[in-house]
Amino acid sequence: SAVISQKPSRDICQRGTSLTIQCQVDSQVTMMFWYRQQPGQSLTLIATANQGSEATYESGFVIDKFPISRPNLTFSTLTVSNMSPEDSSIYLCSVLRSNEQFFGPGTRLTVL
Amino acid sequence: QKEVEQDPGPLSVPEGAIVSLNCTYSNSAFQYFMWYRQYSRKGPELLMYTYSSGNKEDGRFTAQVDKSSKYISLFIRDSQPSDSATYLCAISKGSNYKLTFGKGTLLTVNP
Repeated sequence: SAVISQKPSRDICQRGTSLTIQCQVDSQVTMMFWYRQQPGQSLTLIATANQGSEATYESGFVIDKFPISRPNLTFSTLTVSNMSPEDSSIYLCSVLRSNEQFFGPGTRLTVL
Repeated sequence: QKEVEQDPGPLSVPEGAIVSLNCTYSNSAFQYFMWYRQYSRKGPELLMYTYSSGNKEDGRFTAQVDKSSKYISLFIRDSQPSDSATYLCAISKGSNYKLTFGKGTLLTVNP
C-alpha cells in the first residue's frame, strides 16, 4: 500500500481566488494522478503527473485552470485557479505502486 | 454511452446478507478491473484488482468479471455493518494506468 497525505483537508474559498493542494507520499513513486469527485458524479481524472515532465491533462481540463507541479518523487501540488462555485468538489491525489492505485484522503473545497 | 455504468443504489441490507454490486462497461479495450470502497469523508480504498475473466476471492469478497458481456460484479458474503460504505468500480486499459470510475453504490448494512 502507500501512505498518502493531503493538505489542506478542507477549505472554503471566495470566487476568483486560487488554492494550492499538496500531496505527499511516504516513499518514491513514478506516477501520481489528480482526480476530482463532484457531488453525484464519478471520480474523474484531471491529469497525470510524472516527475521531470509536464503533466498530461484529460479532455476538459487545462493547465491554466489546474496547474500541477511535481518537483520530486514523493510530492505534487494541484492549483485550482480563478475559482468559481462549480469548482466546489473533493480533489484527490493517487499514486501508482505495484500496478495498483492508492488514494489520498482528499481535499474538500467549497467555493462561495 | 458512458464508458462505465454502475447500479446506482442506494442499497440497504440486513447484517449477514449477501450483497451483489454490479457495473457494465462499453469498450472491450478495458482489461483491468478494480473495486474500491470509500467510507464517508475518506479517500477510496482498493479492495479487489483483477485482469482476467472469472472469479477472484479475498475473504468475504469475490470479484467476478465477464469480459464477453462486459460485466463486472462484487459479492460480499456475510455482510457486516462495517461494510457500510460507497463501493466504486473502476476500469483501466492498463497501458497508462488511467482509471475510469462508476458513480458508486452506497451500501448500508443494518445490524
